[in-house]
Amino acid sequence: AQKVTQAQTEISVVEKEDVTLDCVYETRDTTYYLFWYKQPPSGELVFLIRRNSFDEQNEISGRYSWNFQKSTSSFNFTITASQVVDSAVYFCALSEAMDSGGSNYKLTFGKGTLLTVNP
Amino acid sequence: DGGITQSPKYLFRKEGQNVTLSCEQNLNHDAMYWYRQDPGQGLRLIYYSQIVNDFQKGDIAEGYSVSREKKESFPLTVTSAQKNPTAFYLCASSRYEGSQPQHFGDGTRLSIL
Repeated sequence: AQKVTQAQTEISVVEKEDVTLDCVYETRDTTYYLFWYKQPPSGELVFLIRRNSFDEQNEISGRYSWNFQKSTSSFNFTITASQVVDSAVYFCALSEAMDSGGSNYKLTFGKGTLLTVNP
Repeated sequence: DGGITQSPKYLFRKEGQNVTLSCEQNLNHDAMYWYRQDPGQGLRLIYYSQIVNDFQKGDIAEGYSVSREKKESFPLTVTSAQKNPTAFYLCASSRYEGSQPQHFGDGTRLSIL
């Protein structure tokens, strides 16, 4: 069974600090997809990034960067120069096919990391 | 703008009562999902539907029911059989392929009176 572990329950930083959110996953499949979502206090989940299992290139988007390492089954997320608006719960998720036909996928979420950025 | 609309934002249920949470999307997505979120927990899948008139149980379907009569709508009923319904409920949709990101609504917070 697939599993996503976000070991950091809560992180608190001061504005402008860099912060890394860890995500470790378990899967038996060779084809899978990894996601990061942000949940601000308002409640909705905001999609941040998708990465497929065949693409291990790191990605940078503004102050956000992601480090995907299949060898350690990790997909870590770094925020550079954090801002108060980054305060939210961040979820890592794994999408894996539920059948051999590959038409039904299951999205498994980690328990989330609450990031608080203090001014 | 395209998106997912969940209503109501807050809902209260009396003991023994069934309540229905609404989810509507105008993204023309085929797949729709219902998740439950408890404090300090990740999201758990209740039901999902890949196509109209078809839906499948997720990990925690007991005490819940759904219907998918229209592509745009995927209402969730929390029945009296669900003994611990207090939670935050999120609806999501995606294009048919499971590799596509799911887009989420703003959620409904259900509490017991």
